[in-house]
Amino acid sequence: GAVVSQHPSRVICKSGTSVKIECRSLDFQATTMFWYRQFPKQSLMLMATSNEGSKATYEQGVEKDKFLINHASLTLSTLTVTSAHPEDSSFYICSASWDRGPSPLHFGNGTRLTVT
Amino acid sequence: QKEVEQDPGPLSVPEGAIVSLNCTYSNSAFQYFMWYRQYSRKGPELLMYTYSSGNKEDGRFTAQVDKSSKYISLFIRDSQPSDSATYLCAMSRYSGGGADGLTFGKGTHLIIQP
Repeated sequence: GAVVSQHPSRVICKSGTSVKIECRSLDFQATTMFWYRQFPKQSLMLMATSNEGSKATYEQGVEKDKFLINHASLTLSTLTVTSAHPEDSSFYICSASWDRGPSPLHFGNGTRLTVT
Repeated sequence: QKEVEQDPGPLSVPEGAIVSLNCTYSNSAFQYFMWYRQYSRKGPELLMYTYSSGNKEDGRFTAQVDKSSKYISLFIRDSQPSDSATYLCAMSRYSGGGADGLTFGKGTHLIIQP
């Protein structure tokens, strides 16, 4: 089945630094990738949608200058959290889909970000 | 009113019981419905994927969608301790999420007692 790989699984960084998270589709070409954030005991909240070669579309309330998304190829999307603050600490999860008719989304295993 | 409502639980049942998990939603444009299982600190794992109304069965899992009532269910038969996890319902207007991504319920924490 479709596999989505996300790296790193866990990262701790100091306040003010930037962190990059990678999301790869391993056995299919992902025309669309989605980035979600999940706080403890909360649901997944969509942050942004990215299509290969074009600018990401951000959900209302998500700062595009803070959460930089690059979808450079059909198998790789990156999320960079710039100038991280403790309130950015969360579980970040990517998902990917391909454009071949009905296609359920598959998720990466998530990245636990802790900003100290 | 949130778009998707799901009782967060926890729901605790004995091993072997039939589990019923439910979500209600308000957006009649949703056509694709999914159930995911999420273990602690892991990404969601797709369990069931259905389009429009009806039933779908896969092993011990049965998904039901009633669009007229805006109500979806997941049934787990012969529940096992390994089924203990958080179960998330999700839905979308488009296949694969399209431009909207998925809208998730809050998740129900399920505990199967040995």
